[in-house]
Amino acid sequence: TQLLEQSPQFLSIQEGENLTVYCNSSSVFSSLQWYRQEPGEGPVLLVTVVTGGEVKKLKRLTFQFGDARKDSSLHITAAQPGDTGLYLCAAHAGGTSYGKLTFGQGTILTVHP
Amino acid sequence: DAGITQSPRHKVTETGTPVTLRCHQTENHRYMYWYRQDPGHGLRLIHYSYGVKDTDKGEVSDGYSVSRSKTEDFLLTLESATSSQTSVYFCAINEGRGDTQYFGPGTRLTVL
Repeated sequence: TQLLEQSPQFLSIQEGENLTVYCNSSSVFSSLQWYRQEPGEGPVLLVTVVTGGEVKKLKRLTFQFGDARKDSSLHITAAQPGDTGLYLCAAHAGGTSYGKLTFGQGTILTVHP
Repeated sequence: DAGITQSPRHKVTETGTPVTLRCHQTENHRYMYWYRQDPGHGLRLIHYSYGVKDTDKGEVSDGYSVSRSKTEDFLLTLESATSSQTSVYFCAINEGRGDTQYFGPGTRLTVL
């Protein structure tokens, strides 16, 4: 079973601060995804990274895929209360895995006004 | 938004009773998945389906069974519910052309 270690598990910050969430594994993945989940709802895809070293930006969110495709990070600049939620990384091994994803444990982010 | 519904949205049941959760999609996607979500564990795959009547086990399949008799419906059954199966259950679908999974709204199950 491929494991994704996500850190930190909890993050409580003030509005305007920057933060980084990490997702690490000993396995190589064909792609890695970041999802955001709000209370009472299912996760929603934020981004997919595929190429080693790839960097993608989504407004104030910056996603990076490690060169060896074993790790990823999510950086939020100038966090806002609307960024509050559960952030999950997920990886697809590729091949004939029928689209199955392995998820990290998640990071609960709280941004205080 | 992907057309995925789950029913019921909330259920309270007693230990030893059978429970069936339903996932319904209107997207005609080939792949469907059942996950459970518990604090500190993220999402863990229970079972998945890669076509009508084609299903397989995920990492936490003990105590669960599934059926898919139609493309649009994927049922998750707890034959004899236990307190350890108290959780939030999510269904997801995958269009098969990429790795994006679209999730339903979840079912909160409490086993007393």
